[in-house]
Amino acid sequence: GDSVTQMEGPVTLSEEAFLTINCTYTATGYPSLFWYVQYPGEGLQLLLKATKADDKGSNKGFEATYRKETTSFHLEKGSVQVSDSAVYFCALQNFKRGSQGNLIFGKGTKLSVKP
Amino acid sequence: DSGVTQTPKHLITATGQRVTLRCSPRSGDLSVYWYQQSLDQGLQFLIQYYNGEERAKGNILERFSAQQFPDLHSELNLSSLELGDSALYFCASSARAEAEAFFGQGTRLTVV
Repeated sequence: GDSVTQMEGPVTLSEEAFLTINCTYTATGYPSLFWYVQYPGEGLQLLLKATKADDKGSNKGFEATYRKETTSFHLEKGSVQVSDSAVYFCALQNFKRGSQGNLIFGKGTKLSVKP
Repeated sequence: DSGVTQTPKHLITATGQRVTLRCSPRSGDLSVYWYQQSLDQGLQFLIQYYNGEERAKGNILERFSAQQFPDLHSELNLSSLELGDSALYFCASSARAEAEAFFGQGTRLTVV
C-alpha cells in the first residue's frame, strides 16, 4: 500500500540555519503531496502542497518540490527562526481508482530551533 | 483558526468506559475524517464520512464507531476503552471528498 517515510528527529538547529527534512513516498499513480506542521498544543496546519510532478509548494519561507523520479518531497527553509519549532509531517493523498483518498502521514519530525 | 471545532479538548476516563468525541466541520464542508495520533502508531486514518454516509474505513477498531448527522457534525464513539486508546483524536473536514482537508485542534483522550 501507499506509505510515507520521513527522517527521524529530533532535529535541533540554531537560528538562521538551513533546514532540510527528507521525505520519500511509495504510491501508485500520481498522489498529491503535503507538509503539515503541528505547533505545541495545537492541531495540524497545512504548510504547503504539490499536486503533480515538478510542482514546487511554498509558504512562510518553506519550500518542497515534488520529485517523481526520486519519489521525494523534501522540506527546506533557508533560515529558520525560533518560531519554526514544531513537529513537521509529510503526507500523501491518492485519488486513483480504488484508493480511499485519505491522508497518509509520515511519523513526523520534531524541529527545535535555538536562539 | 481552521474553522473545524472539536469538543471536548481534553477527556480523562477509566478503562472499560465509553466516550463520545464531537466534531463540527467548516461551514459547508461535506466530508469529515477522523484520525488518531499516538506515540507508537503516529497519525492513523480511522474513518471518513461524506454527506452523512460512510465513505472509507481505515484502521478503526470494532470498539469504535462514528456517524455524521444531517447538520454535518460528526461524532466518534469509543467504547470498552483500554489504556492503549489514550491518544490525540483529530477531526478534519473538506468541501468535497478529494479536496484539501482542514484539521481541528484535537481531543486528547487519557484512559486511566
